[in-house]
Amino acid sequence: QVQLVDSGGGVVQPGRSLRLSCAASGFPFSSFAMHWVRQAPGKGLEWVADISFDGGNKFYADSVKGRFTISRDNSKNTLYLQMNSLRTDDTAVYYCARGSAIAVADLDYWGQGTLVTVSS
Amino acid sequence: QSVLTQPPSVSAAPGQKVTISCSGSSSNIGNNYVSWFQQLPGTAPKLLIYDNNKRPSGIPDRFSGSKSGTSATMGITGLQTGDEADYYCGTWDSSLSVLVFGGGTKLTVL
Repeated sequence: QVQLVDSGGGVVQPGRSLRLSCAASGFPFSSFAMHWVRQAPGKGLEWVADISFDGGNKFYADSVKGRFTISRDNSKNTLYLQMNSLRTDDTAVYYCARGSAIAVADLDYWGQGTLVTVSS
Repeated sequence: QSVLTQPPSVSAAPGQKVTISCSGSSSNIGNNYVSWFQQLPGTAPKLLIYDNNKRPSGIPDRFSGSKSGTSATMGITGLQTGDEADYYCGTWDSSLSVLVFGGGTKLTVL
């Protein structure tokens, strides 16, 4: 069965870096686009970034552009989110999600989420 | 302020029907497929409707979706207490080149 396991969250000071991981199993990882979506405490969903199946195309939300980098290692079935210059408003639960070749918003499987807290 | 507009809350009695609207523009809903997600308290979102009106395997036909112009609607019939959750619409915005979500609608089953 399809499984996505998010990890790497924690408490970090403003301005520091953190790398999130999403371990995928149960499907041909290298055939699917992947996304990161976050949710600040008590708030709605905010899309962060996505990456094409082969890593050749990447898109970012304006709020993270230039600070966050999405990447993938298809040999390890793992998705990453490198987060630099973290700010307090980056505090959120971060979810990875599997995308679709048909429509960008078809996020059909989600990880359990990993909490990132940016605080001094 | 979300690009897609949803009502903050809706409510209905068990067994009744409810609809949730999602309003956008020609750059998002008007020219792209819409998905709907259910988020039960303390859990990750779950895909309920994709490509405007399709249901993933395992989603009961009590859930439906439609789109007209720059608006989309999700309906739930035969409401159950277990349907109490936050519901989000989402789609690609071709002008912004980003995936956008609505602000979310909290469903209360009275």
